Amino acid sequence: GQQLNQSPQSMFIQEGEDVSMNCTSSSIFNTWLWYKQDPGEGPVLLIALYKAGELTSNGRLTAQFGITRKDSFLNISASIPSDVGIYFCAGQLNDYKLSFGAGTTVTVRA
Amino acid sequence: EPEVTQTPSHQVTQMGQEVILRCVPISNHLYFYWYRQILGQKVEFLVSFYNNEISEKSEIFDDQFSVERPDGSNFTLKIRSTKLEDSAMYFCASSGPGWRDAFFGQGTRLTVV
Repeated sequence: GQQLNQSPQSMFIQEGEDVSMNCTSSSIFNTWLWYKQDPGEGPVLLIALYKAGELTSNGRLTAQFGITRKDSFLNISASIPSDVGIYFCAGQLNDYKLSFGAGTTVTVRA
Repeated sequence: EPEVTQTPSHQVTQMGQEVILRCVPISNHLYFYWYRQILGQKVEFLVSFYNNEISEKSEIFDDQFSVERPDGSNFTLKIRSTKLEDSAMYFCASSGPGWRDAFFGQGTRLTVV
């Protein structure tokens, strides 16, 4: 299956800072999704991207679908304590399954 | 807001026993999935289900696993003879006619002892 590399693996950030994380793949995807997972919970869909080059925002979150279709990034602006969690990228080609990245663990310093 | 619900939230079972994990997908969704997440690791695809049959499965989904949609609302994952390495969080997900946005349930934590 497709391998996704997500970076950074973890980050400590100051409240109010902007955060950026990305995912790269060795093969192309037709859809990129970004999820957030809190401890003991299921992944919650944050942003979905359907077209190469697409830039989409959801509140303080912005994500882009890379032109090559092999990468995507997620930005969080003006981070707050509730941004703590694990962020996963997921890619989808033409089949039904999602291939997930290993996650970026975000911890906010108050 | 519609959501995917899973029961139980936590299941402890003895090795070799059968377990059934239950899910109620979002009502107008057509595609259903099971994923697994071993503690501290990434989410892994197990199986997708559409039109009352498996559309795709991973190498994890061997003969010990089966899925069923016994009625119009439930979607179940059965593990016939559990092994210690089956201990994980199991997530059900569903997606609508556009099938690309998958919404996840809260998960069932399966502990095999």
